Amino acid sequence: AQSVTQPDIHITVSEGASLELRCNYSYGATPYLFWYVQSPGQGLQLLLKYFSGDTLVQGIKGFEAEFKRSQSSFNLRKPSVHWSDAAEYFCAALNSGYSTLTFGKGTMLLVSP
Amino acid sequence: NAGVTQTPKFQVLKTGQSMTLQCAQDMNHNSMYWYRQDPGMGLRLIYYSASEGTTDKGEVPNGYNVSRLNKREFSLRLESAAPSQTSVYFCASRWGQETQYFGPGTRLLVL
Repeated sequence: AQSVTQPDIHITVSEGASLELRCNYSYGATPYLFWYVQSPGQGLQLLLKYFSGDTLVQGIKGFEAEFKRSQSSFNLRKPSVHWSDAAEYFCAALNSGYSTLTFGKGTMLLVSP
Repeated sequence: NAGVTQTPKFQVLKTGQSMTLQCAQDMNHNSMYWYRQDPGMGLRLIYYSASEGTTDKGEVPNGYNVSRLNKREFSLRLESAAPSQTSVYFCASRWGQETQYFGPGTRLLVL
């Protein structure tokens, strides 16, 4: 079955430090991949998406992600984290029939002063 | 352009009561979705509707029913609520392979 794995449940990063959140997928073909962010008590907001082409994609709020087919990964990065980035982050993949999104279980980002 | 709207925002039910969660989108999207979110479980798909007039089960459909009332509206019904259905419910919509947009959520507590 298709799946999306986010290995880290929680990550703590100091403000100003760099960030990398991991995401691995198991799909036969190249999936359509997404990263969403959820602030406490809010809905999900799209950060960025990868459909095809350039494997490094830029998103909102200074985030980027790199698709690596050889590692079945789509890791999210940010060079310098701000306190307002504290939230839960979800990786998702569109299934082969393009009908449903499969989500990882999420990674909670904590930002320390 | 309100995007995806959900009502109510909060609800408290007693075990055995019924209720309907409402969802509407104004983006002319074909596909609509209902998810539940529980701590440590991510988002799990309950039901979806790929187009007006069709509905399909997702990962966790038991205890729920849905109605795609028209292209804009997709409701989720709990016929006999159970404490295990305490959760945050999100509606979403999408057109084709494009971005999926989410509503603000409904927080449901079943006592």
